[in-house]
Formats: sequence, structure tokens, C-alpha cells
Amino acid sequence: AQSVTQLGSHVSVSEGALVLLRCNYSSSVPPYLFWYVQYPNQGLQLLLKYTSAATLVKGINGFEAEFKKSETSFHLTKPSAHMSDAAEYFCAVSEINNGGSQGNLIFGKGTKLSVKP
Amino acid sequence: KAGVTQTPRYLIKTRGQQVTLSCSPISGHRSVSWYQQTPGQGLQFLFEYFSETQRNKGNFPGRFSGRQFSNSRSEMNVSTLELGDSALYLCASSLFPRIPPGELFFGEGSRLTVL
Repeated sequence: AQSVTQLGSHVSVSEGALVLLRCNYSSSVPPYLFWYVQYPNQGLQLLLKYTSAATLVKGINGFEAEFKKSETSFHLTKPSAHMSDAAEYFCAVSEINNGGSQGNLIFGKGTKLSVKP
Repeated sequence: KAGVTQTPRYLIKTRGQQVTLSCSPISGHRSVSWYQQTPGQGLQFLFEYFSETQRNKGNFPGRFSGRQFSNSRSEMNVSTLELGDSALYLCASSLFPRIPPGELFFGEGSRLTVL
């Protein structure tokens, strides 16, 4: 079975500083991995996805993530934080059974990002 | 292009009642899935529908049910509400259920409070 662990339920950075949100996954087969962002009182928006092509994935709003199989990690980074990046971020893996993707996602518990002026 | 629309956005019910939530997917999307979001359990998959058929189901009791109509709109129902059912219920749509996997477009959710 697949699972996702996000280290740190809260992360606080200063505006202009590097953003690093950690995600480790567990999967016995090559995973499909995703990062979603949720702003207050809104649904989730896809930031980026890894589907076994390039290991460095670029997403929207300047975010990127690197798939590292040896570390079973898919950490999200952004070189310079903006106030508008304050939100909750979720790492997710596509559930796979019987060798095929089931289509539904297994989410981590989320990391709330605060950006200080 | 209009996004995923969920109604109602907020509702309050009492224990023992039932509730029906509605979801209209993005035009052309045929797959609809539902997730429950709570502070304690996070985001959990409820079920997925494609072509009016339930394709996949999460680990929830039978009180939680859903359906999909021929126009791809979906409803979910929770009967005999319990306090623990208080949550944000998110609907997501995609073109197809598994290709590409996980590329879901979420609505803003229906926030249910059970008193």
C-alpha cells in the first residue's frame, strides 16, 4: 500500500527566503506523486506532479520538486517566498492496486506555510 | 471554463439527520471523486464515479453513499449523521478516472457541521 509522510505540520519562513516542504513516500511500485495547495476556505489546486518523466518537476507559482528514488522523497521548494504563498500544502501519491492506478489520491497530513514580512 | 461547483457551501445539521451534497464537474469531465477533510484525519478518499458507476470506494461506513448522473453531476449522501461527520467535503473531477492518474480539479467544498 502507498503512503505519504509530510515532515512538519507548520513551517514559517521570511519573505524572500527559501521554502522547503518535505514529503516522503512509501510505495512498492513506481509512484505518481503530486503537490497540492489549499488556500483558506478554498479547495485544492494542483501545483505539480511527477509521473516518471523528469525527476525535477516544475510547477506553478515558481515551485518545483525533485523525485529522489533512493531517498523516497519528493520535497517541494521555492527559491524566494512571497506573502501570497501562505497556505497549506499537501503531498499526495496515487493509489495503485493490482499494478494499476486506482485514480484516487492518498494525501499527507499537510504542512501549513506561514510567510513573515 | 467554469470550475467544479459544489452546493451548498455551508450547512448545519443535527445528529441523526441526513444530508445530500451536490457536485457539478468541469464541463467535459466524466470522473467525479469525493474526499472528506477533517483536522484530525486529514484528507480521506470517499468514492469515485465514472459513467454513472462507482469505480472505487474508500474505507467509510455504509452511511456514506453517492451517485452520478448521466450529465456527470454527482451527489453524495450521509445518513444518520454523527458528530464526527463534521468536515469539509471536497469534490474533484477529472477527464478520466485513471489517465493521467491523480490530476484532479477540486471544488471549494461543502462544510458540514453536525450539532
